[in-house]
Amino acid sequence: GAVVSQHPSRVICKSGTSVKIECRSLDFQATTMFWYRQFPKQSLMLMATSNEGSKATYEQGVEKDKFLINHASLTLSTLTVTSAHPEDSSFYICSASRQGTEAFFGQGTRLTVV
Amino acid sequence: QKEVEQNSGPLSVPEGAIASLNCTYSDRGSQSFFWYRQYSGKSPELIMSIYSNGDKEDGRFTAQLNKASQYVSLLIRDSQPSDSATYLCAVNSGGSNYKLTFGKGTLLTVNP
Repeated sequence: GAVVSQHPSRVICKSGTSVKIECRSLDFQATTMFWYRQFPKQSLMLMATSNEGSKATYEQGVEKDKFLINHASLTLSTLTVTSAHPEDSSFYICSASRQGTEAFFGQGTRLTVV
Repeated sequence: QKEVEQNSGPLSVPEGAIASLNCTYSDRGSQSFFWYRQYSGKSPELIMSIYSNGDKEDGRFTAQLNKASQYVSLLIRDSQPSDSATYLCAVNSGGSNYKLTFGKGTLLTVNP
């Protein structure tokens, strides 16, 4: 399958600071990338759909000003958690879709806000 | 609201047995269906995809789809302790961009 790389795998930050997470498709061009959040013992919840060169589409209840998504190229999307608080602590996972094929997941980022 | 339902388990089977995982979905327009395996603290890993009614086999895994009943299942034959994980059912209602709706997952434990 295709390779999607997510960085960093773990990050600890202080409350009130911002954290950027990168998602790269290494061997294909991803027309669409997705950002998910997963709390302990819960399923993956889609946060937003990111299309290259256009604004992200956020799911209901997800604050677009808090979770900034940039998809500037066909191989890179970034999620910035702004003014992070302890309740933002979670496992963030990206996936990338090549047109007409399945979506492939990155390794995930464990965010802890202290 | 598009929903995907799974029995949360835990499902416990002895080594060598068949594990049967089930999933129902609400959106009749769903086009493709996936089973992912997720180990604790890790990202989901695609196991099977199925697009048309019937069975699809890949090694020890068989996916079954019944669109009329809005039902998809995963059978794992000759279960191994390494199969112990949470299995997520995912449904694509978003066409070619693969926007997935996930179930909550079924925790499978294979006992040696």
